[in-house]
Amino acid sequence: DAGITQSPRYKITETGRQVTLMCHQTWSHSYMFWYRQDLGHGLRLIYYSAAADITDKGEVPDGYVVSRSKTENFPLTLESATRSQTSVYFCASSESFDGGYTFGSGTRLTVV
Amino acid sequence: GNSVTQMEGPVTLSEEAFLTINCTYTATGYPSLFWYVQYPGEGLQLLLKATKADDKGSNKGFEATYRKETTSFHLEKGSVQVSDSAVYFCALSEFSGAGNMLTFGGGTRLMVKP
Repeated sequence: DAGITQSPRYKITETGRQVTLMCHQTWSHSYMFWYRQDLGHGLRLIYYSAAADITDKGEVPDGYVVSRSKTENFPLTLESATRSQTSVYFCASSESFDGGYTFGSGTRLTVV
Repeated sequence: GNSVTQMEGPVTLSEEAFLTINCTYTATGYPSLFWYVQYPGEGLQLLLKATKADDKGSNKGFEATYRKETTSFHLEKGSVQVSDSAVYFCALSEFSGAGNMLTFGGGTRLMVKP
């Protein structure tokens, strides 16, 4: 089906582990984004990408790594998970600046 | 820099009441404006948008008008339903050298009681 898919939907990991959150979109949108959503902080941008092989930091990039070797995939890796990274993570894509974003359903990550 | 300010919630209404959620913005240029809705356990969905001054966005009975003179984009609905209970986010988008970036407000939770 066309759309934007995030996996896994739920993840529990231990402090210090590396974990990768996947994001896949079927529209070939140029722009892709990763946000985290925390109570009291709203949505905060972690990383974004304007095209394959072009990525840049957002508001809260520390502790995260992204790659974009193909237009349709934009994985987010937590290199060494910490409890402060417990959050709901949303991936989004967009074709143009006035078209808005399409969001995935989110990944709820718990770091214990 | 750009910013979006929304009224704090929660907003609690009875079914069929009139809804207004205030949103004001600060931007350096001519942004596009959006309202997103997030239902429990889901991602954000685009509700409506307006790309220039005096445009009115509308969808599912919700409306918002782009008011450049007051830098506002207030969300309204004439008669809310229980199914409208959700968190609503106002956002602006302005193209820059880094591409298109959405700036979100903090969100307003709406609770509609039967």
